[in-house]
Amino acid sequence: AQSVTQLGSHVSVSEGALVLLRCNYSSSVPPYLFWYVQYPNQGLQLLLKYTSAATLVKGINGFEAEFKKSETSFHLTKPSAHMSDAAEYFCAVSLGAGNFNKFYFGSGTKLNVKP
Amino acid sequence: ETGVTQSPTHLIKTRGQQVTLRCSSQSGHNTVSWYQQALGQGPQFIFQYYREEENGRGNFPPRFSGLQFPNYSSELNVNALELDDSALYLCASSLETMNTEAFFGQGTRLTVV
Repeated sequence: AQSVTQLGSHVSVSEGALVLLRCNYSSSVPPYLFWYVQYPNQGLQLLLKYTSAATLVKGINGFEAEFKKSETSFHLTKPSAHMSDAAEYFCAVSLGAGNFNKFYFGSGTKLNVKP
Repeated sequence: ETGVTQSPTHLIKTRGQQVTLRCSSQSGHNTVSWYQQALGQGPQFIFQYYREEENGRGNFPPRFSGLQFPNYSSELNVNALELDDSALYLCASSLETMNTEAFFGQGTRLTVV
């Protein structure tokens, strides 16, 4: 069975501080992992993805995530938060076989950035 | 700009009514998936269409149905609307290659009263 757990439904950081959003997954097969961001009243935008090439994945807007198999984690980080980073972030694991591609999403973490 | 467009953006329906939501997939993508995102939750998989055939379904009742057209655009139909169907409905398109990223539209906000 596949599932995604995001620890902390709300995270608040000061502008310029480190951003750390936590994601743990369970998967019966080697996972493909994704982070998406959702701004208010918008759809989901891909930040980055892990597809077994490199364990440290760099994405857009200065975000990166590290795949740790031993910890079944894929935490999202950014060294210095900007006000524009305030949004909701979703971790997802992909289950695919052949031409079937289904995403399991976590419940999301809302990031608040304080001036 | 993802290239996935959904219509309408907002919709209000009465319990028991039927609704059709539409999605135009990104150019070159032949796979479309639909997700339901209830308030405060992550998106939940409804079903996926590949080359006009449903090829996977989540834990949703049969009153949720869909279509995919030859140009790969898609519709989501919901019959006998219930209050709990109020949610943001997201369409995602992707290539047929498994485990590739999905590109999402901006969603349709459905409110059932």
